[in-house]
Parts: sequence; C-alpha cells; structure tokens
Amino acid sequence: DTEVTQTPKHLVMGMTNKKSLKCEQHMGHRAMYWYKQKAKKPPELMFVYSYEKLSINESVPSRFSPECPNSSLLNLHLHALQPEDSALYLCASSQEDRHPTTGYEQYFGPGTRLTVT
Amino acid sequence: AQKITQTQPGMFVQEKEAVTLDCTYDTSDQSYGLFWYKQPSSGEMIFLIYQGSYDEQNATEGRYSLNFQKARKSANLVISASQLGDSAMYFCAMRDLYNNNDMRFGAGTRLTVKP
Repeated sequence: DTEVTQTPKHLVMGMTNKKSLKCEQHMGHRAMYWYKQKAKKPPELMFVYSYEKLSINESVPSRFSPECPNSSLLNLHLHALQPEDSALYLCASSQEDRHPTTGYEQYFGPGTRLTVT
Repeated sequence: AQKITQTQPGMFVQEKEAVTLDCTYDTSDQSYGLFWYKQPSSGEMIFLIYQGSYDEQNATEGRYSLNFQKARKSANLVISASQLGDSAMYFCAMRDLYNNNDMRFGAGTRLTVKP
C-alpha cells in the first residue's frame, strides 16, 4: 500500500474560522511533510516531522500549527487565515534513515484545496 | 544552498514520440538525490524516477529515463512513446542525502501531448 490519504479534499473557510487538515499513511514511513502549492507554482515545504518530532519549520506563520499524534497521522491546524493562504496543501511521507546511502522518494496525498474567504 | 532550474515553462510533443524535459541543478553537497514528479490536473504528485549522485548508470523506469550528466549538473527526464495521459506538470526535485527531509522543487514544465 503506497497510499497517502488527505481529508478533506476541499475546504472553504472564513478568516475567523478554525479548521484542521488531516493526513494518514500506513507505509511505516517515519518522515511526514506538509507542503503549500499555489497555482502554477512548485510545492513549497512548510513542515517536516521526523520520528514524530518537528525537524523543519520553514518560517511558516503561526496561524498554521502542525501536529503529529503518531507515526501514521499528521494534522495541520488552521486559525485566522488570510485570503492569500488559499492554495493546495499537500501531505507527503517517506522512509527515514539516519545514515542514508540512497534518497527516498516522497509519496504524496491528493491534497486539500483550501479557499479562505 | 540548492537550486533547481527548469527552463521550459511549456513543451508540446506528438503522441508516440519521445520528449526531453530539462533540469539543471546547483549544489555544494557531495551526496544528493534527484527526483522527477508528475502532477496531473487533479493535483496529486506522482513519483516517476530517482537518480543518486553516486549512481554511475542512468536510471530507467519503464518509459521514463533520466539522462544524468554530473559534470554539467543536469538531470533531464526523457519520456519515450508519449501518451495522451502524459499531459501534466513535471517537476524536477533534489535533496541532500544527509539532510534527508529537505527536498526542493524546480518551477516545473507543463507537457502537452498532441494526438
């Protein structure tokens, strides 16, 4: 099973709302990622969890709050977003190796299309 | 710092012909991995092929092959026998093998396959 699932597929929220994006994988991967992708642009890395610990935070505004409850789940909590935060949010996972000799591809979910009104 | 460059915003190819998508990179890392992903209009990123910096042979996966020229710092994707379903955005990506989590993407190339 090489599937990463994301819910919801689409989300419309107001600037005062609080919502969460969810991501799940059952491939035994110990690294999980959140990316933001604007239209016609490449994905931009937001957060990386490695062995359930936040290892990379790419200077993302605090209105985005990640959470990794266990090795299979990744959440992104959203609060007081701005219209410019409207984008496709992609979750990914990969193997993790503390002494890598090869690169591990990331498996992506289908994404959540977020619209902030 | 790593930098990935894809200079072709859009490419057209006739069905059943081969097409090459360009990717150049810049890094001071000795050990790195290069990846190609396909993104159809549905949005999901699909992994296509991987090349390690120490791999001496070019990677191949079915109709996909990676033309890796280390001295030129290029990692071009070759798609043979194009199909209509190959129409999509294609992203080249790279990461340092010892910073395994930090992958960076190029700007992408939109490929359109004509019938």
